[in-house]
Amino acid sequence: EVQLLESGGGLVQPGGSLRLSCAASGFTFRSYAMSWVRQAPGKGLEWVSVIYAGGPATYYADSVKGRFTISRDNSKNTLYLQMSSLRVEDTAVYYCAKEAEQLLVRWFFDSWGQGTLVTVSS
Amino acid sequence: QSALTQPRSVSGSPGQSVTISCTGTSSDVGYYNSVSWYEQHPGKAPKLMIYDVTKRPSGVPDRFSGSKSGNTASLTISGLQAEDEADYYCSSYAGSYTLVFGGGTKLTVL
Repeated sequence: EVQLLESGGGLVQPGGSLRLSCAASGFTFRSYAMSWVRQAPGKGLEWVSVIYAGGPATYYADSVKGRFTISRDNSKNTLYLQMSSLRVEDTAVYYCAKEAEQLLVRWFFDSWGQGTLVTVSS
Repeated sequence: QSALTQPRSVSGSPGQSVTISCTGTSSDVGYYNSVSWYEQHPGKAPKLMIYDVTKRPSGVPDRFSGSKSGNTASLTISGLQAEDEADYYCSSYAGSYTLVFGGGTKLTVL
């Protein structure tokens, strides 16, 4: 059974930094691209970033480009999102999501974590 | 990277059919056959219901179907059941290695 478990959320001041983690199990982690998707309270889903299965290729939404960095450690089956220069509008539940097909980015996700809440407030 | 446009809410009675629209542009929905639909119950993670415009993952009832015409994709749920009450989101590949979601539609089963 695929399991994705996010952690690292919490309260941070504007301008601060936070690193989210997503521990994966139940599938061959290194073979799948992974994304972060966020959801502000009471709002819709927003795609944040993707990292390809091989690792080096990463892409970001314009809203976080230059401030967030996605990475993965395939030896630890873990996905990360380093967030810096955080803004109030970054407040959201952050989900990690698994691509549905091995070695490809097909832009749909067959497994999601339960999410971790990031609150940016002074 | 503008969000796709969905109606804020739709409703239907048990056994009826409802259709949720998802309008994008010729650069996303209209250009790529990479439209997906997700169901989200309150406090839960999204669940994939439709991918590649019309395909259903295993385990998703055939009451759920997808289609596309021009810049608008649609999700149709037939034979509405109480457990279908949820928020539904569409998404589309938007080129340049980016994904865009719709604003979400709240489905109420009357």
